[in-house]
Parts: sequence; structure tokens; C-alpha cells
Amino acid sequence: DVKVTQSSRYLVKRTGEKVFLECVQDMDHENMFWYRQDPGLGLRLIYFSYDVKMKEKGDIPEGYSVSREKKERFSLILESASTNQTSMYLCASSLLSGRRGNEQFFGPGTRLTVL
Amino acid sequence: AQTVTQSQPEMSVQEAETVTLSCTYDTSESNYYLFWYKQPPSRQMILVIRQEAYKQQNATENRFSVNFQKAAKSFSLKISDSQLGDTAMYFCAFSESGYALNFGKGTSLLVTP
Repeated sequence: DVKVTQSSRYLVKRTGEKVFLECVQDMDHENMFWYRQDPGLGLRLIYFSYDVKMKEKGDIPEGYSVSREKKERFSLILESASTNQTSMYLCASSLLSGRRGNEQFFGPGTRLTVL
Repeated sequence: AQTVTQSQPEMSVQEAETVTLSCTYDTSESNYYLFWYKQPPSRQMILVIRQEAYKQQNATENRFSVNFQKAAKSFSLKISDSQLGDTAMYFCAFSESGYALNFGKGTSLLVTP
């Protein structure tokens, strides 16, 4: 079974701090994604990566950056955390585009609170 | 732009009953994929069912089935014999040939005893 893990289930940070959210998948998937989930808004794509060192902006990239130095690991970085970034962050991975209809496998999520 | 609409923010059903969650989408493409994902209160998102647009037959997975109406761009999920463990947020998602999925805003389903 595919396993996607995220470094923390709950995280509390202060405004202005630099925050790193880590995601690791163990199935050699090419694609990895970071979503933000807010009540009433569903899942919104922040960034995705289709290969090592490659990244593409999603729908809401402002205030975030990403890093993918190894195929299995995809990091989301909040350069200077703000209170409006308090949210649930979900990581996902999938096989190369076109295979299995882009089914994505999700991690358990990180609940980030910025005070 | 792709859009996915789930018109029912919340639904409730009694155990053993059948419930249908609705989803509509917008696309100009002829080949694409549709998904229903389930997110239980523990928050791990899992795939419930997948439908390929070029397949006429509606997908089925045990108690879960879809009603795919391509011309109407409708993709509803039917849950038969509802169980307490079906309580979750359900998301409809859509993908053309690219990398990303486009999600609806979700339907919160509560199964009551």
C-alpha cells in the first residue's frame, strides 16, 4: 500500500516564524502535491511537483514556497507565517500523469495554528 | 477553468438507508477522470471510487456506486446500506490529462443510528 506521511499532525507557530512542513511517500511516485483545506472551501492546491527539483504553482501559492530535493520528499515552506495561514495542510502523491487516472494518495494532514 | 460543484454542504441518513451525494462539473474535454474521496473524522483522505469518462458503465465498489451522466456533466455517489463508519466528508474531484485534481467543496455526511 502507498504510504504518505507528514512530519507533524499538529503544529503551533508564531507570526513571522519560518515554518517547514515535510511530506514523504514510499511508493516512488513522480508527482507530489500540497493542498490547503479550510471549512467551506474544500481543498485548494498550493504547489505541486512532477519531478525532483521541479515545481509548479497551484491556485494559491502566495506566501508559500516548496522544495523537492529527493523524489520521496516534498517540503512546504512558509517564509513568514501569518495568522491567515492557520489551516489544515494535506500532502498527496500520484504516479506520472495519465496513469491510473491521476489518483492521488493523501497523508494524514498537519493542523497548523499561527498565533 | 475546471469547476466542480457539490450543492449539498451537509446531509444526514439513517443506518441501513441509501443516500445520494450530488456533484456537477464543467469541462470542454471528452476524456477525463472523476473521483469521490472520503475523509473520515480522523482526517486521512481515501479514494472511494473512480470513473473514466470514456467508459459508459457506472463504476461500483461494494456499497458505493456512481451515476455518471456525461451529457449533463453530473457524477453522483450513491451509498447503499449506510453504516456509521460512512460518516465523513465526501469530496468530488475531477481531472483531465494533467497532474492536478480539482476538488469540490465537500459534503459532510452524518450517518445516524
